[in-house]
Amino acid sequence: EPEVTQTPSHQVTQMGQEVILRCVPISNHLYFYWYRQILGQKVEFLVSFYNNEISEKSEIFDDQFSVERPDGSNFTLKIRSTKLEDSAMYFCASSFYDEQFFGPGTRLTVL
Amino acid sequence: TQLLEQSPQFLSIQEGENLTVYCNSSSVFSSLQWYRQEPGEGPVLLVTVVTGGEVKKLKRLTFQFGDARKDSSLHITAAQPGDTGLYLCAGVVQGAQKLVFGQGTRLTINP
Repeated sequence: EPEVTQTPSHQVTQMGQEVILRCVPISNHLYFYWYRQILGQKVEFLVSFYNNEISEKSEIFDDQFSVERPDGSNFTLKIRSTKLEDSAMYFCASSFYDEQFFGPGTRLTVL
Repeated sequence: TQLLEQSPQFLSIQEGENLTVYCNSSSVFSSLQWYRQEPGEGPVLLVTVVTGGEVKKLKRLTFQFGDARKDSSLHITAAQPGDTGLYLCAGVVQGAQKLVFGQGTRLTINP
């Protein structure tokens, strides 16, 4: 069964460093998303991506964040200068329409 | 801002009992999805309900979407220890593709 994959599973970085989180969505899906979940809190929407452009973003998704679909299979989230409060699980999801399928997540730890 | 409130947040019952988890909002959603999330993993899609009043069954799990598409419930019949986990409801915002998540119901089924 097709699934969303994410790498790395765990990323540790120093405050101020850039990180790139990678995702391979399900191949025939059209919409791609990033969400995050701070420990013990709700899953929060960050950004949605459709037709090679951002379709919606949340207030969390400020200028430090960017997304890219560099080729036909990968979807990346870049955090330009990480802050302590960026520590969270980051989930990639994809959908053909409404049903969103999530990857296993990348645990980002900012020291 | 769309909010989804889940209740109860925690539920611990004996094997064989029935239970219902509720997901309520003042907002209308174009569809609503139920997920199950294990610690350190991504949400796994259980079901999507789209039409007001829709009922879907998945073995011992029954999902219902409210007539006004503002609320949903998950009913488990004859709960088993394997049902233990975190259950999340998430609504697709009308006119957008993003999911708004509830805070989750942590369910424990005791043998």
